[in-house]
Amino acid sequence: KQEVTQIPAALSVPEGENLVLNCSFTDSAIYNLQWFRQDPGKGLTSLLLIQSSQREQTSGRLNASLDKSSGRSTLYIAASQPGDSATYLCALLGGSQGNLIFGKGTKLSVKP
Amino acid sequence: DAMVIQNPRYQVTQFGKPVTLSCSQTLNHNVMYWYQQKSSQAPKLLFHYYDKDFNNEADTPDNFQSRRPNTSFCFLDIRSPGLGDAAMYLCATSRGPPRTSGRVNEQFFGPGTRLTVL
Repeated sequence: KQEVTQIPAALSVPEGENLVLNCSFTDSAIYNLQWFRQDPGKGLTSLLLIQSSQREQTSGRLNASLDKSSGRSTLYIAASQPGDSATYLCALLGGSQGNLIFGKGTKLSVKP
Repeated sequence: DAMVIQNPRYQVTQFGKPVTLSCSQTLNHNVMYWYQQKSSQAPKLLFHYYDKDFNNEADTPDNFQSRRPNTSFCFLDIRSPGLGDAAMYLCATSRGPPRTSGRVNEQFFGPGTRLTVL
């Protein structure tokens, strides 16, 4: 059964810092990996999708990588801003279950 | 803009009183999903439709049902809500089909409905 872990659970950084959020998973038989952002009390916004054949995707200040052999993905946020404050969730589309399996998320706070 | 819409955004019901949550989409996607997210927890898939084909997760309680009358709409029915069913309910869509790689299975979420059970 696929398990997804995100470390740290919470992170606080000063504005302008570059930061890395981590996601690890136990089953490398995945179709896709998606990173989402969730603001308090809101739905999920898709940030990046990495297909199983890809190693990374970039969108603006965000870069996500995927290493299936080690069961890891990272989300890199460059030059963080207070507006980046949110919970970031990693989710895998798994081979055996065929649905998204989520981590619990990393709650990011960027201080002005 | 193409989007996923959920109504209502906030729903209050009484213990045991049936409630229906609504989701609609203008993306013309084949797959629609319902997730339950409790406070500080990961979203958990309840069921999904691929076109008219209903797929229930093994551990979804019988208290939860779903209907998809057409491509655009999907409903979540909670027959007898208990206090433990208070949560955020998230609807999502993807082009599909499920169990394939690629952007066809990128999921797009609505804003959610927060359910309170008194």
